[in-house]
Amino acid sequence: AQRVTQPEKLLSVFKGAPVELKCNYSYSGSPELFWYVQYSRQRLQLLLRHISRESIKGFTADLNKGETSFHLKKPFAQEEDSAMYYCALRPSSGSARQLTFGSGTQLTVLP
Amino acid sequence: NAGVTQTPKFRVLKTGQSMTLLCAQDMNHEYMYWYRQDPGMGLRLIHYSVGEGTTAKGEVPDGYNVSRLKKQNFLLGLESAAPSQTSVYFCASTSPPGLRTYEQYFGPGTRLTVT
Repeated sequence: AQRVTQPEKLLSVFKGAPVELKCNYSYSGSPELFWYVQYSRQRLQLLLRHISRESIKGFTADLNKGETSFHLKKPFAQEEDSAMYYCALRPSSGSARQLTFGSGTQLTVLP
Repeated sequence: NAGVTQTPKFRVLKTGQSMTLLCAQDMNHEYMYWYRQDPGMGLRLIHYSVGEGTTAKGEVPDGYNVSRLKKQNFLLGLESAAPSQTSVYFCASTSPPGLRTYEQYFGPGTRLTVT
C-alpha cells in the first residue's frame, strides 16, 4: 500500500523568503504525485501535478524517485500563499487508482 | 455550472442519531469520493464509486454507508452517529482521465459535530 508523509504540520516563513514544503512517499510502482491547496474558507483545489512539470503561482515541485520525494518550492513567498497544502499520490495500477493524501502542512507567510 | 455541491454545510447530531450527507456534481463525472478531514490526519477516503450503482470501501469505511443511485449524486449515511465521527466531510468527483489531466474536484465540505 502507498503512503504519503508530510513531516511538517506547521510552517511559518516571512514574506519574500523562500519556502519548501516537504513530501515523501512510499510506493513500489511509478506514482503520480500532486499538490492540492486549501485556502481559508475555500474548497480544496489542485495546485500542480508532477506530470505537467508546470509552475503555478510561482510554485514548482520536482519528483525525485531516488529520494522518493516531491517537495513543493517557491523562491519568494507571498502572504496570499498562506494555506493548507496537501501532497497526494495516485498509484499507477489498481481498479480506481484513488488518491492517498498526506496529513497536510499549514503554511503561514508572515508580513 | 455549480461543480460539486454538498448539503448540508453544518450539522450537529446527538450520539446515536442518523443522517445523510448529499453530494451532487454537474460535470458528468463517473467517479465520486467521500473523505473525512481531521486535524493531523489529512484527508482519508471513506467510500468511493466508479459509476452509477457501484460503491466500494476506502480506508476508513466503518460506521458509514453510501449509495450512488444516480450518476450525479453520491450519498453518505451515518446510521448511528458517534463522537468519533465529528469531522469535516468532503466529497470529490473526477472522470477516468488521461495521464496529464487527472484532477479531483472537491465540494465545499460539511462540518459535522456529534455530541
